[in-house]
Amino acid sequence: NAGVTQTPKFQVLKTGQSMTLQCAQDMNHEYMSWYRQDPGMGLRLIHYSVGAGITDQGEVPNGYNVSRSTTEDFPLRLLSAAPSQTSVYFCASSYIGGGEKLFFGSGTQLSVL
Amino acid sequence: AQTVTQSQPEMSVQEAETVTLSCTYDTSESDYYLFWYKQPPSRQMILVIRQEAYKQQNATENRFSVNFQKAAKSFSLKISDSQLGDAAMYFCAYKPRGAQKLVFGQGTRLTINP
Repeated sequence: NAGVTQTPKFQVLKTGQSMTLQCAQDMNHEYMSWYRQDPGMGLRLIHYSVGAGITDQGEVPNGYNVSRSTTEDFPLRLLSAAPSQTSVYFCASSYIGGGEKLFFGSGTQLSVL
Repeated sequence: AQTVTQSQPEMSVQEAETVTLSCTYDTSESDYYLFWYKQPPSRQMILVIRQEAYKQQNATENRFSVNFQKAAKSFSLKISDSQLGDAAMYFCAYKPRGAQKLVFGQGTRLTINP
């Protein structure tokens, strides 16, 4: 059972480039989400989804797009990377209900030069 | 807005001693969940302990326990018999029942001195 798989683990981009961070889970979780982690600010929610075809914005959505065409996959797209998007990105998933545990991927370290 | 505050950016403790990490939160909800996550240098997020707000009994997991004070909106984590492997960033997090979004605090970096 792989859990939540994120790729790539590291990425360096130039300002203005685009890329997609991949996230896949094999636990049939309805809920999937993307967080960014910055020093001194904890983890902040970018976008989330409660099922295929349903997405919504989190706390810091600007500059990011998401889609959810299947239950398993929830890619995060940076359309035009900016240095302010240098961060560690985490994908997380869970069942929908009460206080279910959030399962995290191993993170992507992204640097935008 | 719901917020979570960890007022201790860094803490240190001697191996085998006890340390308490602080967390306060702000919410108008009465039914919610609170979590402590550990992030070692590997960067992996690991759930340490979970507390349901409607349960008065404080949650415990082996050497980890919480002091949940609902009226004060306080949720501290106590680590007993600290071990070198406990060194990590610790994040407090909040989630209201019926919502999916987890709100995190800023984190506390815990160092264990041998």
